[in-house]
Amino acid sequence: KAGVTQTPRYLIKTRGQQVTLSCSPISGHRSVSWYQQTPGQGLQFLFEYFSETQRNKGNFPGRFSGRQFSNSRSEMNVSTLELGDSALYLCASSRGDTYYEQYFGPGTRLTVT
Amino acid sequence: EDQVTQSPEALRLQEGESSSLNCSYTVSGLRGLFWYRQDPGKGPEFLFTLYSAGEEKEKERLKATLTKKESFLHITAPKPEDSATYLCAVQPLISNFGNEKLTFGTGTRLTIIP
Repeated sequence: KAGVTQTPRYLIKTRGQQVTLSCSPISGHRSVSWYQQTPGQGLQFLFEYFSETQRNKGNFPGRFSGRQFSNSRSEMNVSTLELGDSALYLCASSRGDTYYEQYFGPGTRLTVT
Repeated sequence: EDQVTQSPEALRLQEGESSSLNCSYTVSGLRGLFWYRQDPGKGPEFLFTLYSAGEEKEKERLKATLTKKESFLHITAPKPEDSATYLCAVQPLISNFGNEKLTFGTGTRLTIIP
């Protein structure tokens, strides 16, 4: 069974630009969660989508948004990039039902200059 | 607010030297506690889920245990390939459906010296 895939793997953007990251979950998984990982803050929850609806949201500004498509693929968008947005962005998929084991993708390394 | 504290921050062991990693947590009702392994530049790899106090799970040289306040990841006779950062995360019991948010600790960086 193929794992979670994320594209692109690496990205360099300039402050003020916007960026879109993509995540394809494990086949059959309907929930996709997004996390930001930085050396200082560790892994922090951004939001979770299930059946094209945002079900949970973390404490990030509105510049961070996402969506999920009918095939469960998800995208995350960050507008007006700031230097502090440089991080590893991870997505995780799960079945979304009673059992909550989340499986992570390899991440997208975003560098904002 | 849910909190997870992992200790120690870093641990260096000789190959074959057994030890334990600690994860203490504060959560308003626990749905599950998760252990992940993360190698540099990669996403976390799922290891275990523990649901109730007293539960234990094993995988190769790793054994995870759970009490009402903390979890331990015991590593027996480790090998250099066990070197990684081990992350603990909790999921609160808010509803029976619809809460995927995990709160992570900052991890223990484990180095096994040959």
